[in-house]
Amino acid sequence: EVQLVQSGAEVKKPGESLKISCKGSGYSFTSYWIGWVRQMPGKGLEWMGIIYPGDSDTRYSPSFQGQVTISADKSISTAYLQWSSLKASDTAMYYCVRHGSVLGQPFDYWGQGTLVTVSS
Amino acid sequence: QSALTQPRSVSGSPGQSVTISCTGTSSDVGGYNYVSWYQQHPGKAPKLMIYDVSKRPSGVPDRFSGSKSGNTASLTISGLQAEDEADYYCCSYAGSYTRGYVFGTGTKVTVL
Repeated sequence: EVQLVQSGAEVKKPGESLKISCKGSGYSFTSYWIGWVRQMPGKGLEWMGIIYPGDSDTRYSPSFQGQVTISADKSISTAYLQWSSLKASDTAMYYCVRHGSVLGQPFDYWGQGTLVTVSS
Repeated sequence: QSALTQPRSVSGSPGQSVTISCTGTSSDVGGYNYVSWYQQHPGKAPKLMIYDVSKRPSGVPDRFSGSKSGNTASLTISGLQAEDEADYYCCSYAGSYTRGYVFGTGTKVTVL
């Protein structure tokens, strides 16, 4: 069974750094793109970027380029999303998603979401 | 980066059909047959309902169907059921070295 299990909720202060995780299981982690989707409170879904764990090829949405870093450790089948300096506007639910093995394919599995709250 | 345009809400009685539109441009919806639709119930992660414009993943009822004409994709729910009440988002591939993927603004489906 394919599963994406994300790390738990986080409460941070503005300016702090953060790295959240997403562990994949039940499939070949290195053979599928894995990405991140943001959902701000009461708002819609926004695609942030993706990584191919097999070779660490990473692509970002222009809206998130330079704002976050996506990485992966294929030895432990885990993808990461990190911020170096959080802002209050980063408060949102973040989902990791499995893409297909080819770009263009849909997000067929979703993690349970990680709620990030940034408040002073 | 502009989101795809969806109606804010649609509604229907049980058994009726509703259709949700998703309008983009020739750089996303009109340029690729990679349109997908996701259902999201409150407090839950989204679920893939339709991919590649009109294909249904295993386990998705055939009441859900998708289509595309030009720069507009559509999701139709036939025989509306109470459990179909949720938010629905379209998503289109927009090129790997440009915008990647772009979501729609989301539509709330209400079963009257």
